[in-house]
Amino acid sequence: KNEVEQSPQNLTAQEGEFITINCSYSVGISALHWLQQHPGGGIVSLFMLSSGKKKHGRLIATINIQEKHSSLHITASHPRDSAVYICAPGRAYNTDKLIFGTGTRLQVFP
Amino acid sequence: DVKVTQSSRYLVKRTGEKVFLECVQDMDHENMFWYRQDPGLGLRLIYFSYDVKMKEKGDIPEGYSVSREKKERFSLILESASTNQTSMYLCASSFRVGLDTEAFFGQGTRLTVV
Repeated sequence: KNEVEQSPQNLTAQEGEFITINCSYSVGISALHWLQQHPGGGIVSLFMLSSGKKKHGRLIATINIQEKHSSLHITASHPRDSAVYICAPGRAYNTDKLIFGTGTRLQVFP
Repeated sequence: DVKVTQSSRYLVKRTGEKVFLECVQDMDHENMFWYRQDPGLGLRLIYFSYDVKMKEKGDIPEGYSVSREKKERFSLILESASTNQTSMYLCASSFRVGLDTEAFFGQGTRLTVV
């Protein structure tokens, strides 16, 4: 069983829709990263959070440490949000080494 | 802005060739990482380095080696490239923020071994 599970694997949406991507993990962590990867490969870190909720523009990330679950929400989605979103927890005893979900491929159509 | 720069975006090499993938970061980070990314498998750690001349194996080090002679540069070496090393390779650097880690990634190198 993978230590990090993301759902859904693929997601299509119409512009303007509210989007949720889920991440569950089975290991003890200190913090969790949400990453965005556009076609072409480069990865950008969107959030790092260890509790509660963070908001950045139209993006919101939440984490429940007790339930070992995090969600990434995109409000008023736009075609430029089309990308792969990757959940990456950092292990509690070795935060330098991230473990990665396989990603959620999001396509937003106009 | 922190920058992690990989030397090539696309690379095609022949089976048996020795291949060097270079990564440079400009923010004096101590930690650097090499990952490969394959469909359905996500990012897997090949090697990482905590400091100059220090390296540790990740989850899939077989067929690879690394070099870190200077703090800003971390090189991944495929000693004898094979077709199963065709993949996207990503370099990252990181630093600690309290107990947590901020990570920055390069743009990736898509390597094809023919």
